[in-house]
Amino acid sequence: TQLLEQSPQFLSIQEGENLTVYCNSSSVFSSLQWYRQEPGEGPVLLVTVVTGGEVKKLKRLTFQFGDARKDSSLHITAAQPGDTGLYLCGGGSNYKLTFGKGTLLTVNP
Amino acid sequence: SAVISQKPSRDICQRGTSLTIQCQVDSQVTMMFWYRQQPGQSLTLIATANQGSEATYESGFVIDKFPISRPNLTFSTLTVSNMSPEDSSIYLCSAWGQGSMNTEAFFGQGTRLTVV
Repeated sequence: TQLLEQSPQFLSIQEGENLTVYCNSSSVFSSLQWYRQEPGEGPVLLVTVVTGGEVKKLKRLTFQFGDARKDSSLHITAAQPGDTGLYLCGGGSNYKLTFGKGTLLTVNP
Repeated sequence: SAVISQKPSRDICQRGTSLTIQCQVDSQVTMMFWYRQQPGQSLTLIATANQGSEATYESGFVIDKFPISRPNLTFSTLTVSNMSPEDSSIYLCSAWGQGSMNTEAFFGQGTRLTVV
């Protein structure tokens, strides 16, 4: 069974601060995806990374895939209250997604 | 991207009854998945539903409890049978994209089930 360890599990910060969420595994994934989920909604895909060492930027969000394709990070610069939500990383392999436990982020105004 | 419509969005059910959740995708997809999620927590895969074959269930989930249908490439249903309060959860339908997005999953908005 492939496991994804996501940290931290909870994060409460002030508006304007920076933060990083980590997603680590002992397994290699063919792709890794980051999702954000708001209460009452399904997860919404933010980004997919497939190449070791890949870095993708989405406005204030920076995603990185580790060289060995076993880990990833999500960095948010100057967080805003609208960034509040549950962030999930999902590792793809053998046509199946394995999810980490999620990071519940609260950005206080 | 794929747009996934799931219904009902929520329901309150009596124990011992069954509820069928429907999932409609706006394009043809090969693979559809059903997940369970406690509020604020991660997703647990229940089963993979492929058109034309039996669903594949994950450890801890069985067909008698969670029968799944997949009659075509755009539609699937999940039934939660003989419900108990422990089945109270959010149930999510997901589909993988086609072509260049075939490693990306898209989700319905979820069905919040409360069993009383």
